[in-house]
Amino acid sequence: AQKITQTQPGMFVQEKEAVTLDCTYDTSDQSYGLFWYKQPSSGEMIFLIYQGSYDEQNATEGRYSLNFQKARKSANLVISASQLGDSAMYFCAMRDLQSGGGADGLTFGKGTHLIIQP
Amino acid sequence: KAGVTQTPRYLIKTRGQQVTLSCSPISGHRSVSWYQQTPGQGLQFLFEYFSETQRNKGNFPGRFSGRQFSNSRSEMNVSTLELGDSALYLCASSQQGSGYNEQFFGPGTRLTVL
Repeated sequence: AQKITQTQPGMFVQEKEAVTLDCTYDTSDQSYGLFWYKQPSSGEMIFLIYQGSYDEQNATEGRYSLNFQKARKSANLVISASQLGDSAMYFCAMRDLQSGGGADGLTFGKGTHLIIQP
Repeated sequence: KAGVTQTPRYLIKTRGQQVTLSCSPISGHRSVSWYQQTPGQGLQFLFEYFSETQRNKGNFPGRFSGRQFSNSRSEMNVSTLELGDSALYLCASSQQGSGYNEQFFGPGTRLTVL
């Protein structure tokens, strides 16, 4: 079974500062994918970044980067130069990538409520 | 390219009724997954359809069912509604359904059971 742990229920950050959102995971799968999603108050889940378990380089997407430490089973999201519009819930998720059983659904963490203060 | 659409956006039902939610994936996407989001349980995987076949199912009772049509549109049905079924139901589509393709989510259907 897969498990995602996000230990920060809420965070307050000053605008323009960098912020790190923590995510640790547990899985017995050898091949898996890690995802980060942003959920504004409107409810829609917005895909931010993806990291495959066999990817050697940390993923980056604009202001988002994923600090992947496989041995520690952590996949922290780093947002550089935070903006007021970054205020939202952030979810870390994972999925088994092994073929043969069809695709499994995403397993989500409980989320971190990030508030950017001016 | 149009995103994932879900209808209706809001729904109010009473206990014991049944409800059908609809999801239209992004054009060309063949996989549709459904998730339930509640304050207490968070986001939980319901089931996934690919080419009209249910490939995976989460740990939900049989009252929750779904189907997918030949045009990849999907419907989710909940029968004999309970108060605890009040939630945001999110639909997500991806091209092949494998983990290498990210899932794109719709805006959700907010179901309230009275």
